[in-house]
Amino acid sequence: DIQMTQSPSSLSASVGDRITITCRASQSISTFLNWYQQKPGKAPKLLLYGASTLESGVPSRFSGSGSGTDFTLTISSLQPEDFATYYCQQTFSSLPITFGQGTRLEIK
Amino acid sequence: QLQLQESGPGLVKPSETLSLTCTVSRGSISSSRYYWGWIRQPPGKGLEWIGSIYYSGSTYYNPSLKSRVTISVDTSNNRFSLKLTSVTATDTAVYYCARQVDGGTYSKFDSWGQGTLVPVSS
Repeated sequence: DIQMTQSPSSLSASVGDRITITCRASQSISTFLNWYQQKPGKAPKLLLYGASTLESGVPSRFSGSGSGTDFTLTISSLQPEDFATYYCQQTFSSLPITFGQGTRLEIK
Repeated sequence: QLQLQESGPGLVKPSETLSLTCTVSRGSISSSRYYWGWIRQPPGKGLEWIGSIYYSGSTYYNPSLKSRVTISVDTSNNRFSLKLTSVTATDTAVYYCARQVDGGTYSKFDSWGQGTLVPVSS
């Protein structure tokens, strides 16, 4: 299995801050990397796919970068609605598709 | 806008079979662009992909669950289903169905059902 490791596991920040979450794959996954946002009691929502392509309707303050094994999700200016848990996912290997353990973003 | 809705029993007993159905509306399950997947999330924990199916019936499963999982598709009724046998308390989770888009250079789960909590308990 390809292991996905996110850091940090939790993060406290303020509205207006710029934050970065890192996701590392245990082997190269090219750019088969997606980012999801999940709020309590809700299904995950796709933010970015292909490491850096913004899903339709997602605000441009979200951006992604990376290839191979190292990836980042950046939120340029945190808004109140951005406080949630974020997951990376690799789809390079479908046996199995795997997720990171999640990064919980909390209000400072 | 595509909608997915999970349905099934709200409680399953240990050693029995968990059965869920995902009904797709405002879109066709028979589109050649998409797979259809199941993902689960134990309470307070992370996401685990269970498996995916193509409208033709072609499937692929998480190896860790493969011996207990069957995913099937019913194109006539625009729905797909999950069966997980011999469940234990560790199978207690919110189960999500989702559409999987394979774009060649990417594969993404872009539409999700709301999820259904399935406790496993006697």
